[in-house]
Amino acid sequence: EAGVAQSPRYKIIEKRQSVAFWCNPISGHATLYWYQQILGQGPKLLIQFQNNGVVDDSQLPKDRFSAERLKGVDSTLKIQPAKLEDSAVYLCASSLVRGETQYFGPGTRLLVL
Amino acid sequence: QQPVQSPQAVILREGEDAVINCSSSKALYSVHWYRQKHGEAPVFLMILLKGGEQKGHEKISASFNEKKQQSSLYLTASQLSYSGTYFCGTEKSGGGADGLTFGKGTHLIIQP
Repeated sequence: EAGVAQSPRYKIIEKRQSVAFWCNPISGHATLYWYQQILGQGPKLLIQFQNNGVVDDSQLPKDRFSAERLKGVDSTLKIQPAKLEDSAVYLCASSLVRGETQYFGPGTRLLVL
Repeated sequence: QQPVQSPQAVILREGEDAVINCSSSKALYSVHWYRQKHGEAPVFLMILLKGGEQKGHEKISASFNEKKQQSSLYLTASQLSYSGTYFCGTEKSGGGADGLTFGKGTHLIIQP
């Protein structure tokens, strides 16, 4: 069974530029999560989708971050404009149903200069 | 609120045992344990649901004390492959969303 796929794996941009990350969850997984992991810390939930609807986006900085999961399968997370403090690993995870095991993708490492 | 993990770091010799604790100030529905190696994604170890159950997988087991909102991860006869950072992720009781709140992690180093 294929795992959670993410791209790109690495991205370097300058502050005030925009960037987008893509995630394809495990086939059949209805729930999708985006986490931000700053170096030396645990992952922090940004947004949770159930199919194509948002369940929780309370910790998403909505002035600069946006996310969508239009067809209830893959998802895109965007940052516009990026700040230095956005440098982190952005992890996507999926679960079959809410409350079940969350499986993480390899992450996208973002460096903002 | 972020769960508190202890200790922050542990250095062991191969074959020794370790206990990692995770505590929360809020009522919990479940606790998830992950191990992350440097530069890699977190890997799922086990999930414990409220009810005080204890789970085990080979030489790694965990317990969940719902009344104290605490969970402990037990690693027995540690192997070199156990090295990494261990995170507990907690899910609050009564909420519709189940995104996890992770602790800051416990760094485990196993020496030969």
